[in-house]
Amino acid sequence: GAGVSQSPSNKVTEKGKDVELRCDPISGHTALYWYRQSLGQGLEFLIYFQGNSAPDKSGLPSDRFSAERTGGSVSTLTIQRTQQEDSAVYLCASSLRYRKETQYFGPGTRLLVL
Amino acid sequence: AQTVTQSQPEMSVQEAETVTLSCTYDTSESDYYLFWYKQPPSRQMILVIRQEAYKQQNATENRFSVNFQKAAKSFSLKISDSQLGDAAMYFCAYWGGNTPLVFGKGTRLSVIA
Repeated sequence: GAGVSQSPSNKVTEKGKDVELRCDPISGHTALYWYRQSLGQGLEFLIYFQGNSAPDKSGLPSDRFSAERTGGSVSTLTIQRTQQEDSAVYLCASSLRYRKETQYFGPGTRLLVL
Repeated sequence: AQTVTQSQPEMSVQEAETVTLSCTYDTSESDYYLFWYKQPPSRQMILVIRQEAYKQQNATENRFSVNFQKAAKSFSLKISDSQLGDAAMYFCAYWGGNTPLVFGKGTRLSVIA
């Protein structure tokens, strides 16, 4: 089937605006993950979902970040009052279950906050 | 906390030659998985190879193989017969316990024609 998809591919926004990033996981995958990749850095874990529940939100950088998942499928990562330091590539991944299984990644959303 | 270290920020290899990328990790877990992901300029993270810690045999996928040394907590990736399409960032990643994937900072591989 289709892989993980993310939209938009690129997003340019002004400081202080809200943005929503979308992730469509592989069909049937119950676990979904969000990561942030800043320029020249590795991947920083943000949050994961088992079904529609997010058991651990401690990876979110601040209370301006939130995420939800509906119907056990699509997930949205929302950043409120964006700051320049939020500029990064946001990657989404999914796996069949939340276990030590292979995560399949989407192409990412590149966010630029001016 | 688990950590993953990739000590080579950049590597280069001649086309058709072999190159080895290093990765070490720190953990107190006995059951865990290790992964190598490739990230080309397109940004898409692509799984290259995975290794279950309980398996003694090193994983192999075509031209890609690993040297897994559990006692030394080392997990290196060997790419044989390097091709131009192998040029990318390579990330080593660890998953153990309840921790989602922990990534190293990556190694940028250049392939010289």
